[in-house]
Amino acid sequence: AQKITQTQPGMFVQEKEAVTLDCTYDTSDQSYGLFWYKQPSSGEMIFLIYQGSYDEQNATEGRYSLNFQKARKSANLVISASQLGDSAMYFCAMREPRGNYGGSQGNLIFGKGTKLSVKP
Amino acid sequence: GAGVSQSPSNKVTEKGKDVELRCDPISGHTALYWYRQRLGQGLEFLIYFQGNSAPDKSGLPSDRFSAERTGESVSTLTIQRTQQEDSAVYLCASSLKGASYGYTFGSGTRLTVV
Repeated sequence: AQKITQTQPGMFVQEKEAVTLDCTYDTSDQSYGLFWYKQPSSGEMIFLIYQGSYDEQNATEGRYSLNFQKARKSANLVISASQLGDSAMYFCAMREPRGNYGGSQGNLIFGKGTKLSVKP
Repeated sequence: GAGVSQSPSNKVTEKGKDVELRCDPISGHTALYWYRQRLGQGLEFLIYFQGNSAPDKSGLPSDRFSAERTGESVSTLTIQRTQQEDSAVYLCASSLKGASYGYTFGSGTRLTVV
């Protein structure tokens, strides 16, 4: 079963409007971390925002906020006031506390991504 | 350095040849990861190093793939007898130890096997 599911292969949004990118995850651990990354056409991976499973408040970083609904295992990214430079692939990722080799932390598991296009 | 450095940025190789990709992590980052990203796809985990612990090799797709890291410094990913399906961008990332730390990625090595 997929650990991270992003159901929107592509999204369009009008410049200056808000957009929500969906992400659901699957884990049996109580302690985990959720991340969003942006990948523009240049290929670099840019860290956007982090949410810990025990964090009571939704994470915010500037125009980015994470709508964390733990019971639903949902970690949607909300981008407010979209800009043309927001056009990119967006990846949701999860880190579980234990790696396959019993390490103190596991690797990040990524979803397949959502391609966001901002229209002028 | 200030970021994660990968070299070469582009590599074209003939099928059957061996290639070596290099990653220089951020100083002080104990964790180092290799991922593969095929065109238009998501990131596929390959291998993970954490300090001096045994690496997590669970993502390596075949025995043609191997990686080494000495201590908390440079890592090399080696692909032997390259195949066309190995063509992809190979991304390296490093992070501090701890589940709340995200990764800092390098710019990747674009490998093309012809």
